Amino acid sequence: EVRLVESGGGLVQPGRSLRLSCVASGFNFDDFVMHWVRQVPGKGLEWLSVIRGDSGFTGYSDSVKGRFTVSRDNAENSLFLQMNSLRVEDSAIYYCVKDGQSGWYLDSWGQGTLVTVSS
Amino acid sequence: QSALTQPRSVSGSPGQSVTISCAGSSRDIGGFNFISWYQQHPDKTPKIIIFDVSRRPSGVPDRFSGSKSGNTASLTISGLKVEDEADYFCTAYAGNFNLVFGGGTKVTVL
Repeated sequence: EVRLVESGGGLVQPGRSLRLSCVASGFNFDDFVMHWVRQVPGKGLEWLSVIRGDSGFTGYSDSVKGRFTVSRDNAENSLFLQMNSLRVEDSAIYYCVKDGQSGWYLDSWGQGTLVTVSS
Repeated sequence: QSALTQPRSVSGSPGQSVTISCAGSSRDIGGFNFISWYQQHPDKTPKIIIFDVSRRPSGVPDRFSGSKSGNTASLTISGLKVEDEADYFCTAYAGNFNLVFGGGTKVTVL
């Protein structure tokens, strides 16, 4: 069974940094593309970033490009999101998501970690 | 990266069919067949119900079907059930290693 467990969320002041982690189990982690998606509670979903299994490519939404960096450690079955220069509008639940076998769909989701950016 | 356009809400009675549209452009929906749909019940994580335009993961009822015409994708729920009441989101690959979401549609079962 696929399991994705995020951690690292919390309350942070605007302009500061936070690093999210996601530990994966139940599948061959290094074989799969992984994504980060966020959602303001009660609102829609926003795709943030993607990283290939071998870290050979990464992609970002315009809203986080230049501020957020995705990375992974396949030896630890872990995915990371380094978030710098945080803004109030970055407050949301952040989900770690596994890509599907044929690519570019989100087939398994973690439970999410809540990030609140506030002074 | 413009968000895809979905109706805010649709509704139907049990047993009826409802269709949710997801409008994009030639850069996303029209350009690739990586279109997927997700169901999200209140306070739950999203669940994939359609991928690659019209394929269903195992365990998803065949009441759910997907299609695409030009720059618009659609999700049809046939034989609507009370448990189908949820939010539904579409996504599409938009090139350059980017995904884009629709704004979401609330399905209400009357």
